Amino acid sequence: GNSVTQMEGPVTLSEEAFLTINCTYTATGYPSLFWYVQYPGEGLQLLLKATKADDKGSNKGFEATYRKETTSFHLEKGSVQVSDSAVYFCALSDAGGSYIPTFGRGTSLIVHP
Amino acid sequence: NAGVTQTPKFQVLKTGQSMTLQCAQDMNHNSMYWYRQDPGMGLRLIYYSASEGTTDKGEVPNGYNVSRLNKREFSLRLESAAPSQTSVYFCASTYQFEQYFGPGTRLTVT
Repeated sequence: GNSVTQMEGPVTLSEEAFLTINCTYTATGYPSLFWYVQYPGEGLQLLLKATKADDKGSNKGFEATYRKETTSFHLEKGSVQVSDSAVYFCALSDAGGSYIPTFGRGTSLIVHP
Repeated sequence: NAGVTQTPKFQVLKTGQSMTLQCAQDMNHNSMYWYRQDPGMGLRLIYYSASEGTTDKGEVPNGYNVSRLNKREFSLRLESAAPSQTSVYFCASTYQFEQYFGPGTRLTVT
């Protein structure tokens, strides 16, 4: 079956530091890959996505590249802000017909001023 | 366009009580989902509905029932609440593999 593995948190950074959150996946077929963000007290919302190999998704200064050869979709940001403090979820949806997406367990990011 | 809405936002139940969590989406999506989120456990799928008129069990369906009332609404019922069902519940819908989440219902069972 499909699976998503992401680094455990919390990740603690100072403002303006570089961020990487690792995500690797196992899937049959050619999944679409997603990063969702959950701010405190809220539901998840889409941060960025990529639908095929070598695609780069980007939004709000965050980027992730769909690497089929390493089955990875690592999230990066060059300079984090306190407002980026949240939980980040990596996820995949299999275009092969399953209606059930697969989520990683989430990585908490804490950014200090 | 309200997206996915959930009611109530907060609820406290006593063990053995029943309640229904309501979810509605105004985006005309076919598929809808119920998840629970517990500390350290990520999201766990309770039930989903691939289309109007169908429902299927997810990873943790025990103690829950669902109804896909129409294309817009997908409710989750706890018939006899237990402390183990204390959690945050999220409803979601899907379009082109992207999930759209509601704001959540925070349920405490004492």
